[in-house]
Amino acid sequence: QKEVEQNSGPLSVPEGAIASLNCTYSDRGSQSFFWYRQYSGKSPELIMFIYSNGDKEDGRFTAQLNKASQYVSLLIRDSQPSDSATYLCAGKYNFNKFYFGSGTKLNVKP
Amino acid sequence: EAQVTQNPRYLITVTGKKLTVTCSQNMNHEYMSWYRQDPGLGLRQIYYSMNVEVTDKGDVPEGYKVSRKEKRNFPLILESPSPNQTSLYFCASSLRGLLYEQYFGPGTRLTVT
Repeated sequence: QKEVEQNSGPLSVPEGAIASLNCTYSDRGSQSFFWYRQYSGKSPELIMFIYSNGDKEDGRFTAQLNKASQYVSLLIRDSQPSDSATYLCAGKYNFNKFYFGSGTKLNVKP
Repeated sequence: EAQVTQNPRYLITVTGKKLTVTCSQNMNHEYMSWYRQDPGLGLRQIYYSMNVEVTDKGDVPEGYKVSRKEKRNFPLILESPSPNQTSLYFCASSLRGLLYEQYFGPGTRLTVT
């Protein structure tokens, strides 16, 4: 059974702080990882993907992948109230299948 | 506008009454997929399709059917819905391959009584 685990939260951070979201996965065959943001009642939207070990930065967002430890993280710098949402981590396996975590709810307090 | 559309957006039905949720994309994507989202369980893949006439099971295919007769359409069929299929359903599409993101439809909230 391939699994992606996330802490459900909620994770509360003050405005302007760094939010750190983490995800672990069970299958070493997972080839790439995606972070999605989902506002309540809305569909998921992609923030970033990563497939190589190390860091990948895009604006205020940094994704980190450590294949040896089987974890993926997302850092959000200068967090804004508009970042308050549920963040979904997903692993892609065998080019075809996606496995999603249950999501971490982030609250950014003004 | 590039998009994935789903219909209906909301549906309340009764146990055993066959229903179809349609999904259509206008991005010429080869890969399409259906998910259900339940509280505490996240998104779980029901079926996916790599291309026309090519479909395969995801993690939770029981009670569902799909077909892919045209590239743009990927309907989800519940032949005999049951209350445990009450959920929020998302259709998604992407280009084939390891790194391509999925674009999600707006979701269909299904209630089976």
